[in-house]
Amino acid sequence: NAGVTQTPKFQVLKTGQSMTLQCAQDMNHNSMYWYRQDPGMGLRLIYYSASEGTTDKGEVPNGYNVSRLNKREFSLRLESAAPSQTSVYFCASSPWTSPETQYFGPGTRLLVL
Amino acid sequence: GENVEQHPSTLSVQEGDSAVIKCTYSDSASNYFPWYKQELGKRPQLIIDIRSNVGEKKDQRIAVTLNKTAKHFSLHITETQPEDSAVYFCAQGKVASNYQLIWGAGTKLIIKP
Repeated sequence: NAGVTQTPKFQVLKTGQSMTLQCAQDMNHNSMYWYRQDPGMGLRLIYYSASEGTTDKGEVPNGYNVSRLNKREFSLRLESAAPSQTSVYFCASSPWTSPETQYFGPGTRLLVL
Repeated sequence: GENVEQHPSTLSVQEGDSAVIKCTYSDSASNYFPWYKQELGKRPQLIIDIRSNVGEKKDQRIAVTLNKTAKHFSLHITETQPEDSAVYFCAQGKVASNYQLIWGAGTKLIIKP
């Protein structure tokens, strides 16, 4: 099992550009999450998907959209990137048997100039 | 709103000594308290968790204690080793929110040789 995978690992964008961060898990997990991590601020939830076909806003959803494409894949889109979105983005998933136990992907480091 | 305060932000201990990190939460409905370890440049990984129906849990050199009355929980690492150097995050979750986790800001633990 690859677990949770994310692409790309690193990306540089100019202000106003758009991009999609990809996340996939091969553990048959129901729930998936997108977080951003900024220095000294821990992890903040952007969006989550409790099951295939559903998505909900987290703590910091502004400027982002998500798509739960199928049970395996959960993508995060930045329509018009801003320097404030410079961060490390982590995707996570959790199984229905223990939804509280989250497994993280390796992260995507995003720099917006 | 709900939040988790984590202290200290940085902790430096001599190798072989003990380290204690404390988190305080505000939501009395919280019933799940995990601790994650994040090594430099890596993803967060669950190291231990505790539920509100127990007061203490141990796993080899690490332990977590929970005081529901005072709304705080702590991570204890004994006989610290160089590989314990990392950033540690506490979090809290509850059934009512499908275990969406609220995260502390993190503690950078430095083990001095």
